[in-house]
Amino acid sequence: DIVMTQTPLSLSVTPGQPASISCKSSQSLLHSDGKTYLYWYLQKPGQSPQLLIYEVSSRFSGVPDRFSGSGSGTDFTLKISRVEAEDVGVYYCMQGIHPVTFGQGTKLEIK
Amino acid sequence: QITLKESGPTLVKPTQTLTLTCTFSGFSLSTSGVGVGWIRQPPGKALEWLALIYWDDDKRYSPSLKSRLTITKDTSKNQVVLTMTNMDPVDTATYYCAHRPYSGYDYASWFDPWGQGTLVTVSS
Repeated sequence: DIVMTQTPLSLSVTPGQPASISCKSSQSLLHSDGKTYLYWYLQKPGQSPQLLIYEVSSRFSGVPDRFSGSGSGTDFTLKISRVEAEDVGVYYCMQGIHPVTFGQGTKLEIK
Repeated sequence: QITLKESGPTLVKPTQTLTLTCTFSGFSLSTSGVGVGWIRQPPGKALEWLALIYWDDDKRYSPSLKSRLTITKDTSKNQVVLTMTNMDPVDTATYYCAHRPYSGYDYASWFDPWGQGTLVTVSS
């Protein structure tokens, strides 16, 4: 199975400041079809995970443009340009090549 | 609008078999490329993918749990059922079902949206 490793596991950010989460995979997520199957989810407190980013850098419908994804191969990053209070929760990266695996999660808190 | 809802027992005893049902609306599991997956989350811990069933009844399982899992679908009822045998306290978790959107391939998946989840506690 592909192991997903996130860093940091927690971060505390002042509103309006940027935040960045790293996700590294144990194998390249670039498939022979040319797509890279890396996704980002946010699980807000008491809620189910919601999709933020698909295929590394595409924002899902309704996701604010302060969220951006980047990376390639085995190294990926989720960035929030200006953190807002509603961004609190746990962020997970997920690789979609079967069997699907998730990172450990990164808890974002507001200072 | 796609919605999914999990149902099943909240408490099971060790060694028992867990049966969970995902009832969904807003899509059909007879549509090519679509699927439904199950993911679980122990309290305070990370997400773990369990199983996936496709429109054509093809199935995928987590290698580490494959021997204990069975996923089936009832297209006419818009339901997907997951069974997990030989339950243990470490299987205590919130179990989610989720929609696997259309794609032209079966070797990768992503999930959106997810159900609200159902907490299953394993205890004697």
